Amino acid sequence: DAGVIQSPRHEVTEMGQEVTLRCKPISGHDYLFWYRQTMMRGLELLIYFNNNVPIDDSGMPEDRFSAKMPNASFSTLKIQPSEPRDSAVYFCASSLGLAIKVQYFGAGTRLSVL
Amino acid sequence: QKEVEQNSGPLSVPEGAIASLNCTYSDRGSQSFFWYRQYSGKSPELIMSIYSNGDKEDGRFTAQLNKASQYVSLLIRDSQPSDSATYLCAVNYGGSQGNLIFGKGTKLSVKP
Repeated sequence: DAGVIQSPRHEVTEMGQEVTLRCKPISGHDYLFWYRQTMMRGLELLIYFNNNVPIDDSGMPEDRFSAKMPNASFSTLKIQPSEPRDSAVYFCASSLGLAIKVQYFGAGTRLSVL
Repeated sequence: QKEVEQNSGPLSVPEGAIASLNCTYSDRGSQSFFWYRQYSGKSPELIMSIYSNGDKEDGRFTAQLNKASQYVSLLIRDSQPSDSATYLCAVNYGGSQGNLIFGKGTKLSVKP
């Protein structure tokens, strides 16, 4: 398997622009997670899905952030409008089942909002 | 508020020594525990998982779990410069929740 695939790897945008991050989980995995990592706050869970359904979005910072999972092989995280404080590395991860909870991470998207 | 605490470091050890990384967690309902390694600029990768009290060994790595004291540790024997990375402790609280709570990580530096 190719692992969790994220795109783009790097994104530079200007404040106020819309940003869309993409993720393809490992085939067969039924959980998908979006994280944000910064030096100050570490790795923070933003939202996670089970079988394409959002389960917990309490980590989403504010209404400017939204996430969707239209099918089992694709998810997006959208920021509109973007702000400089959104600059971070955004990771997508996927896992299988309830019992084990081992998460496999994508390579991440480094977002810079100028 | 479920929390996972780690000493941020940096922890510096000489090559060949044992590196000891510690993690405490707040909720006694925790069921699964993981150690992830993250090299600078890379994504976290799983190196160890542990589910029951005691020790679990995998090569140079040993994970230790003490649920009564609510701590998890990771020992790295014969530390190598290639072990220099940030180590993240992650805890799952079980039930229907799928998510992990991550600590902020301990930065390990192994000096040649």
